[in-house]
Amino acid sequence: AQSVTQLGSHVSVSEGALVLLRCNYSSSVPPYLFWYVQYPNQGLQLLLKYTSAATLVKGINGFEAEFKKSETSFHLTKPSAHMSDAAEYFCAVSTGANSKLTFGKGITLSVRP
Amino acid sequence: NAGVTQTPKFQVLKTGQSMTLQCAQDMNHNSMYWYRQDPGMGLRLIYYSASEGTTDKGEVPNGYNVSRLNKREFSLRLESAAPSQTSVYFCASRGDTGSSYGYTFGSGTRLTVV
Repeated sequence: AQSVTQLGSHVSVSEGALVLLRCNYSSSVPPYLFWYVQYPNQGLQLLLKYTSAATLVKGINGFEAEFKKSETSFHLTKPSAHMSDAAEYFCAVSTGANSKLTFGKGITLSVRP
Repeated sequence: NAGVTQTPKFQVLKTGQSMTLQCAQDMNHNSMYWYRQDPGMGLRLIYYSASEGTTDKGEVPNGYNVSRLNKREFSLRLESAAPSQTSVYFCASRGDTGSSYGYTFGSGTRLTVV
């Protein structure tokens, strides 16, 4: 079985500060990992994905994530937060072709002026 | 624009009423999914369809039925709505080149059961 843990439900940072959203996964086989962002009253948009190629993955809007097998982690970072980054962020895992996507519970990011 | 279209966007039902949520994708994807999103619970899989003509239960299927009408359309039916089914429902489809391409999501249906 596969699962994702996102510790905490809310993160608040100042504009211009580092953003770090944590994600740990559990999988019996090499995983595919994803980060999605959801802006208020909208659907989910793919930020970035890891598919067994480079361990450092760059996504849209300046976000990146690093796959660390030894730590079973896939943390999302952005060097400098912008007000427009305020949203809910979901980490997700799937394993193998035709596999279902399992989501974490999500983290709400707030950005203070 | 290509993508996943869900209708309706909002719905209020009385307990015991039935309704069908519609979903259509125009990306020629084989796999389609229905999720529900509740505060603090993330997204939970209700049903999915790996290909036209097949459907399977997900994590929380009770109280729901689905129909994969054709390759484009995947509908979710609530036969007798309950307040516990108040939620935001998302339909998604997945590219066919393995699972490495992630999902494309619709914009959601916000359902309230009173």
